[in-house]
Amino acid sequence: QVQLQESGPGQVKPSETLSLTCTISGGSIRSSYWTWIRQSPGKGLEWIGYVHYTGSTNYNPSLKSRVTISLDTSKIQFSLRMTSVTAADTAVYYCARGDSFGYYYFDSWGQGTLVTVSS
Amino acid sequence: EIVLTQSPDTVSLSPGERATLSCRASQSVDRYYLAWYQQKPGQAPRLLIYSASSRANGVPDRFSGSGSGTEFIFTISRLEPEDFAVYYCQQYSSSPLWTFGQGTRVEIK
Repeated sequence: QVQLQESGPGQVKPSETLSLTCTISGGSIRSSYWTWIRQSPGKGLEWIGYVHYTGSTNYNPSLKSRVTISLDTSKIQFSLRMTSVTAADTAVYYCARGDSFGYYYFDSWGQGTLVTVSS
Repeated sequence: EIVLTQSPDTVSLSPGERATLSCRASQSVDRYYLAWYQQKPGQAPRLLIYSASSRANGVPDRFSGSGSGTEFIFTISRLEPEDFAVYYCQQYSSSPLWTFGQGTRVEIK
């Protein structure tokens, strides 16, 4: 089973840009939806978006204007970029592998990284 | 957006008892796209059930799922000490593609 590891700053100032990276190991980067999900006390688990190994992306409409997810196949990593953050973006951010063979579940998750938006 | 509502929010049970959790969808969900996860404090969610009733690799058979349409059930036949956790249902459909329920906490009575 693939292993995932998030990395990035634990604190971001309001109005600035949140950037996280997920390193993939132990499996192929192909045939999966490489996904970011966040979890906050107020909103529970929220799907942010994915990048497919083909490079296609899809985002939650509620975040679409602020989010970019990209894939670096040479580094076997994918990244999340979220602009203009506010306190409402404080959450634990998970990267996950989404099944693309017809069941669309998440079977591998990173351990999560807490990002706090605060000045 | 399909909203998943789980009930109850919290259930208090003893080891050895049966746990029955509900997940109700605001619109019909293809059962192939309904999954259940377990989350323990400080950990990421763990996939237990996919396609409404199929157990993920390595998941004990005391965990089961059923349902269709807008009503789905997750059952733990006999609670083990390690099963006390929060459980989430998740569906895949139209935009936003994936949504989760708010979770049901199974706590020790």
